[in-house]
Amino acid sequence: AQSVTQLGSHVSVSEGALVLLRCNYSSSVPPYLFWYVQYPNQGLQLLLKYTTGATLVKGINGFEAEFKKSETSFHLTKPSAHMSDAAEYFCAVTPGATNKLIFGTGTLLAVQP
Amino acid sequence: DTGVSQNPRHKITKRGQNVTFRCDPISEHNRLYWYRQTLGQGPEFLTYFQNEAQLEKSRLLSDRFSAERPKGSFSTLEIQRTEQGDSAMYLCASGAGLAYNEQFFGPGTRLTVL
Repeated sequence: AQSVTQLGSHVSVSEGALVLLRCNYSSSVPPYLFWYVQYPNQGLQLLLKYTTGATLVKGINGFEAEFKKSETSFHLTKPSAHMSDAAEYFCAVTPGATNKLIFGTGTLLAVQP
Repeated sequence: DTGVSQNPRHKITKRGQNVTFRCDPISEHNRLYWYRQTLGQGPEFLTYFQNEAQLEKSRLLSDRFSAERPKGSFSTLEIQRTEQGDSAMYLCASGAGLAYNEQFFGPGTRLTVL
């Protein structure tokens, strides 16, 4: 069965510091991987996705993620945190040709001034 | 507004009552999904439509739940005989083209069952 594990349900960083949100997946077939962000009382917005090709994926708002097959990881990073980055972040996988997204439990990012 | 819309945004009901939620996807999208999100958890897949055909249902979708997408446009999710455990945020998403393309999410309907 496919699954996603997000280490750290809460992460706090200072404004301007590096953001690192961890995601590991389990999939028996080559996965498609996604990071979504959710602001309070809003739906989810796609930050970036990996399907095939280049393993370093750049997304919106300065975020990027690297697909590492050997480590079954897809960690999300941003060099310098902004106050506006405070939100909940979800890693998700679509295993193979199935249509559903399987989400992790989320990481709530707090950015301190 | 060309995004995914959901109505109502909030619903409070008493245990045992029936509720129905509506999702209007982005007009050109042929794929439509329903997810459920409880506090502290990520969204969980409920069901998937391609046009008007319901192609996949999760085991979470008990016989009290039914979803439709007549004419392949808007979709409704009905919960009969609601239980307190049904309290959650119900999210709708739509997408176009291939399955791994982006799913665009609506703002959700928050259901509280008293």
